[in-house]
Amino acid sequence: DVKVTQSSRYLVKRTGEKVFLECVQDMDHENMFWYRQDPGLGLRLIYFSYDVKMKEKGDIPEGYSVSREKKERFSLILESASTNQTSMYLCASSVGGYGTEAFFGQGTRLTVV
Amino acid sequence: GESVGLHLPTLSVQEGDNSIINCAYSNSASDYFIWYKQESGKGPQFIIDIRSNMDKRQGQRVTVLLNKTVKHLSLQIAATQPGDSAVYFCAEIPLFSGGYNKLIFGAGTRLAVHP
Repeated sequence: DVKVTQSSRYLVKRTGEKVFLECVQDMDHENMFWYRQDPGLGLRLIYFSYDVKMKEKGDIPEGYSVSREKKERFSLILESASTNQTSMYLCASSVGGYGTEAFFGQGTRLTVV
Repeated sequence: GESVGLHLPTLSVQEGDNSIINCAYSNSASDYFIWYKQESGKGPQFIIDIRSNMDKRQGQRVTVLLNKTVKHLSLQIAATQPGDSAVYFCAEIPLFSGGYNKLIFGAGTRLAVHP
């Protein structure tokens, strides 16, 4: 089975802190994604990566950056956390090419106080 | 997590009945569609997919119907069980998304199954 693992289930951080959310997948997938999920808004794409060191902005990249130094690991960085970044963050991966499902991690619930 | 289901349309069904969850997608160029199930405290889990060259696809207790004319997708769950209670999302991949499988998600529907 594909496994996508997010390093933390729950995080509480202070406003202005630099926050790292880590995601690891074990299926050698080319594509990796970071989404945030808020009540009533569904899942919104923050950033995605289609190869090591390659990244593309999603729909809501402001306030975030990403890093992909190894194929299996994709990190989401909040440079200076703000309260409006309190959310559920979901990492996903998929094989390269078109039209394949994405596999999700269990999510990280981040609270910024 | 637990707050995912708040503010979402809710479908309430009796255990054993059939459920139909509907989704209107936005992009006429979308070529691939997926239904995901998200249980409380978990990430979305793949249920079934369908490509635009099909109208219907069946899985175990689930059927997805695609109507490209009106850009409508539905998920039918037969003999709904308490374990089916979750939030259900439809997702589409536009044909011209660069081959990166960029999923565009709907807002979701909460399915509540009552005994």
